[in-house]
Amino acid sequence: KNQVEQSPQSLIILEGKNCTLQCNYTVSPFSNLRWYKQDTGRGPVSLTIMTFSENTKSNGRYTATLDADTKQSSLHITASQLSDSASYICVVSAENYGQNFVFGPGTRLSVLP
Amino acid sequence: DSGVTQTPKHLITATGQRVTLRCSPRSGDLSVYWYQQSLDQGLQFLIQYYNGEERAKGNILERFSAQQFPDLHSELNLSSLELGDSALYFCASSVQVTGELFFGEGSRLTVL
Repeated sequence: KNQVEQSPQSLIILEGKNCTLQCNYTVSPFSNLRWYKQDTGRGPVSLTIMTFSENTKSNGRYTATLDADTKQSSLHITASQLSDSASYICVVSAENYGQNFVFGPGTRLSVLP
Repeated sequence: DSGVTQTPKHLITATGQRVTLRCSPRSGDLSVYWYQQSLDQGLQFLIQYYNGEERAKGNILERFSAQQFPDLHSELNLSSLELGDSALYFCASSVQVTGELFFGEGSRLTVL
């Protein structure tokens, strides 16, 4: 069964600290993996997208890694800011899969001053 | 601004009623997706259209239906509304079936 799991479910950190969010997937055949940021009550916004051959991709203070062998991805946030408080959603795309996009449940990050 | 437009932004209605949510995809995007997000829950896939044809169906209730019109805009119809249907409904679009997903700002439905 195609699934995406994320951990932790929620995370609280202090402003300026770093953190890492995890994503494990069983989606096959794998096409690409994306991380989205969703502010409360808003639509998700893409942070990074990685294909099978990419191991690391950065977008400012956000760095995503992908290990296609172990089917794991991580999103590292450096020098967190209050505006980083949001849900971070891992989404895996499967070729030839009806739904095409399998969403993880998200990690809710709270950055405190 | 993602380029995906959803209307209305907010909607309050009573149980048993019917509502229609509208989505205009980004210019050039052929694929439209509908998602439901209940309070503090993840995004639940409802249905996908590609160039006017239904392509995939998720956990969409029989009381719900959708369509994509020739101009590529899409509508999600929710009928016989129940309290549990209160949620944010997101529309997303992409150029191809596995292309970059762009989300609208959602329609918040409250059923009283």
